[in-house]
Formats: sequence, C-alpha cells, structure tokens
Amino acid sequence: GAVVSQHPSRVICKSGTSVKIECRSLDFQATTMFWYRQFPKQSLMLMATSNEGSKATYEQGVEKDKFLINHASLTLSTLTVTSAHPEDSSFYICSARDPRGSVNEQFFGPGTRLTVL
Amino acid sequence: AQSVTQLGSHVSVSEGALVLLRCNYSSSVPPYLFWYVQYPNQGLQLLLKYTTGATLVKGINGFEAEFKKSETSFHLTKPSAHMSDAAEYFCAVSLSGGYQKVTFGTGTKLQVIP
Repeated sequence: GAVVSQHPSRVICKSGTSVKIECRSLDFQATTMFWYRQFPKQSLMLMATSNEGSKATYEQGVEKDKFLINHASLTLSTLTVTSAHPEDSSFYICSARDPRGSVNEQFFGPGTRLTVL
Repeated sequence: AQSVTQLGSHVSVSEGALVLLRCNYSSSVPPYLFWYVQYPNQGLQLLLKYTTGATLVKGINGFEAEFKKSETSFHLTKPSAHMSDAAEYFCAVSLSGGYQKVTFGTGTKLQVIP
C-alpha cells in the first residue's frame, strides 16, 4: 500500500519556540493531506486539510496562525507549531489520500510526539 | 453530517476467543465505513473498508466486519484472538461520493489475555 512518512518521530522543545513537522508521501503524489491531533487515550481530531498549491482548510476552533500548514509539493506537507506552549504537547498524525485508490481511504504517517517544556 | 459511536472503550478477550468490537454510525446518506488499528506510538493502519457491494467485508489479519444498514452498525469481528491483536481500534465513517471528510470514533482498546 501507499506509504506516508513523518519527521521527526519525537521532538522536545522549550516553550515559545516553533516546531516544524514534515509529512511525506513516499510512493505516490498526494494532492490532499490531513493533519490530526490525538490526545492521550482519545480519538483523532482533524485539525486541517492541506491542499497542494492552495491554502489549508482549518477545522473550527483550530488557530491557523498557531498551526501553519504548507503543502508546497505533491509529496510534502509541513505543520509548524508556532510559539509552542505546554498545552500544545500532543501526538500529531498526518495522512494522505492516494488518488489511485478508493475514495476517502487515507494512509497515515507514524505520528510525531511533541513535548513542550 | 456523520458521526460514529464505538461501544466500550476497553475490551478484554482471552487468546483464542472471539473478538467483537462494536461500531454504530449516523449518516444522512449512504456511508463509507472503515476500521483502523493503531499500535502504541504509531499511526493508523487500515484493517478494512466498506464502500459499496457486499456487506460482509474481509480485511487483513483475519478481521472482518458486516455493514448492517437496518441497524446502522459496522461491528468488527475476528474468530480467534491473537496476542498480536492487542491494540487500539478506530471505527470511521465518511459520506459517500467523491472526497469527503472522515470522522473517527473514540476508539476501543483491545486487550488479549494469555
């Protein structure tokens, strides 16, 4: 199946700094990628839909200036958590649609564990 | 709009016993339904999906699920649990037709007792 990678897998940063997380589709071109946030023992919460070459679509309640998304190529989307605070600590997961496959099937990256001190 | 409810945040079964994870959905139009598995500190892996056609869907690792429209259910089953099945399982739903947002349930953690 389609493969999605994320980098880094873990990151620890100080409060006030910015952190960039990369999501790559390795063997297919993804016009649409998604960013999710998962709190401990909870489900995935969709943060935003990232479309190649256009602005991301953010879900209600997600601060677009806080969580900057860039989808500059068909294989790469980045999520930058700006001025991170301890409450931003979470597990961030990206996914991508493979246009060659069934509609709505998403392939997930392995996730990034962010810890803000 | 659509939603999905997973009954039971934790399910424990003995190794070799039947696995049954429950999922009910709500959708205004015919849905697409998915089951994903998540191992600790990892992303989600698709187990199986229902889009159209046969209502009994077979997936990987011996899992299967049956779409029952009358009951708005899509329960996941496996005849015989294996230790390696211990993980978190998420049911998900999307509207059919074109690319639609996927909504995930709250997850069910499966424990397999030796």
